[in-house]
Amino acid sequence: GIQVEQSPPDLILQEGANSTLRCNFSDSVNNLQWFHQNPWGQLINLFYIPSGTKQNGRLSATTVATERYSLLYISSSQTTDSGVYFCVRGGYQKVTFGTGTKLQVIP
Amino acid sequence: DVKVTQSSRYLVKRTGEKVFLECVQDMDHENMFWYRQDPGLGLRLIYFSYDVKMKEKGDIPEGYSVSREKKERFSLILESASTNQTSMYLCASTSGEKLFFGSGTQLSVL
Repeated sequence: GIQVEQSPPDLILQEGANSTLRCNFSDSVNNLQWFHQNPWGQLINLFYIPSGTKQNGRLSATTVATERYSLLYISSSQTTDSGVYFCVRGGYQKVTFGTGTKLQVIP
Repeated sequence: DVKVTQSSRYLVKRTGEKVFLECVQDMDHENMFWYRQDPGLGLRLIYFSYDVKMKEKGDIPEGYSVSREKKERFSLILESASTNQTSMYLCASTSGEKLFFGSGTQLSVL
């Protein structure tokens, strides 16, 4: 099946710093989402981004489907950005989760 | 706003009890999923359903069963709870594009 690798696995940032999280797929995908899992376990939908670029406040995401990767940019990080970020290859029946990036933002 | 609702946020049960975890979505989605999440193991698929009364085993179905009598409701059943089923359980639904998650149920089996 399709593998979804994320990097880095762990990241510690000083509040206010910027970061880029990466998601690589082993095969082509036409359905990709980024989620943030907060410290209470809830998965928050950040972007549905099968291709192109989207922005939402301090966050933006870019998917280059032909090159099989997606990037999540976090600018001016805040402590509330802490948690685990997952990219998820969705679909009608088969859903594949990335390996996750654990982010800790320190004041 | 779209909603996937899980009936309990925290649940404590005893070994051997029959446990029901309920999930309801209000988006008329065909597909619904049950995952469990454990530290260091990520999210693992237990069962999914692509229509009423239809179900498919995921990667770790042992010790679980499911029920989907109505389109909006997907229930996970632990026939005889065991301590190794202590975990965070997450329900999700999709129409084939966006995936939506419930807020999760932290189950402790003592």
